[in-house]
Amino acid sequence: DAKTTQPNSMESNEEEPVHLPCNHSTISGTDYIHWYRQLPSQGPEYVIHGLTSNVNNRMASLAIAEDRKSSTLILHRATLRDAAVYYCILRGTGANSKLTFGKGITLSVRP
Amino acid sequence: DTEVTQTPKHLVMGMTNKKSLKCEQHMGHRAMYWYKQKAKKPPELMFVYSYEKLSINESVPSRFSPECPNSSLLNLHLHALQPEDSALYLCASRGGQGTDTQYFGPGTRLTVL
Repeated sequence: DAKTTQPNSMESNEEEPVHLPCNHSTISGTDYIHWYRQLPSQGPEYVIHGLTSNVNNRMASLAIAEDRKSSTLILHRATLRDAAVYYCILRGTGANSKLTFGKGITLSVRP
Repeated sequence: DTEVTQTPKHLVMGMTNKKSLKCEQHMGHRAMYWYKQKAKKPPELMFVYSYEKLSINESVPSRFSPECPNSSLLNLHLHALQPEDSALYLCASRGGQGTDTQYFGPGTRLTVL
């Protein structure tokens, strides 16, 4: 599976937007970009995914670079509950394709 | 209902014990997964079941034995574990073709003494 690179950690203030970057320079044409997050003492939770176009859902937005070598997860107004480890993952489309988690980025939110 | 349940929440076992972890989902998903997560590390895939058949085994030691008795249930049988097997064991499920989202349970925190 192609690899992703994320900063180790990021801090934000409550109610401000947060931009979490992810580099994936070896992405293949059929790899989807997935984001999951893991709150303390919980299992991972799906956030959003996309292929080429930017995506929005109730939790976040995903901005994908034109060359697809990087993407940014955008939380529009961070809350204390958004403090978590955010994983950027590339996933292929085969029947046995799988999520391979990288180290993720730890987001802290200041009140 | 988008819930994956796991029991027990916590388990302490000795190295000679046999125990089982249970995972259940009622979303009609046909792919189910076991992951292992050590403290401060990302989850690592162990097994994948697709339509109740084992499709991926990530070279997991035989002291971990998965079982999928039906489409809603996934077990992980544990025998002769080592202290280094202490970890959070996560179960996940995924919907049918074209559905990429994996739904994770809260995990079982396993301690091997």
